[in-house]
Amino acid sequence: TQLLEQSPQFLSIQEGENLTVYCNSSSVFSSLQWYRQEPGEGPVLLVTVVTGGEVKKLKRLTFQFGDARKDSSLHITAAQPGDTGLYLCAGAESGGSNYKLTFGKGTLLTVNP
Amino acid sequence: DAGVIQSPRHEVTEMGQEVTLRCKPISGHNSLFWYRQTMMRGLELLIYFNNNVPIDDSGMPEDRFSAKMPNASFSTLKIQPSEPRDSAVYFCASSLSGGFHEQYFGPGTRLTVT
Repeated sequence: TQLLEQSPQFLSIQEGENLTVYCNSSSVFSSLQWYRQEPGEGPVLLVTVVTGGEVKKLKRLTFQFGDARKDSSLHITAAQPGDTGLYLCAGAESGGSNYKLTFGKGTLLTVNP
Repeated sequence: DAGVIQSPRHEVTEMGQEVTLRCKPISGHNSLFWYRQTMMRGLELLIYFNNNVPIDDSGMPEDRFSAKMPNASFSTLKIQPSEPRDSAVYFCASSLSGGFHEQYFGPGTRLTVT
């Protein structure tokens, strides 16, 4: 069973601060996705990274896939209250079923105004 | 597009009762997923359908759980009999194909079994 460990589990910061959350595994993934989930809603896809070392930017969010495709990070610059939510990473098995996603338990981010 | 629709949004039932959760995927999507989310275990895949056929049900916890997809626009997840440990948020998601495409999640059904 492939596991994804996310850290920190909880993060509370002030508006305007920068932050980084991490997603780590001992397994190799063919691709990795980041989702954001707001209370009472389902997860919404933010980005998919496929190539080892890949970096993708989405406005103030920067996503990086590790060179070995075992880990990923999400960096948020100048966080805003609207960034509050549960951030989930999900990996697709390398060499396995390409529909099956393994989800981490998430980082619950609170951005205080 | 209305997105993935799930009903009910909240369900409270007593132990031993039958529970049926419903899902309408996005029109044109041919893959459907049922997930369960808890604080302890996070988001877990229960079952995956492709073109209305169950492909992978290895995540279904016990025989008390069953899922059907009678047509491309409707799926159900049934728990019979329900137990307190089944309390969780159940999500349905759909995607364009069985490949690694974006999964669109519904708003979930919060199930409480007392």
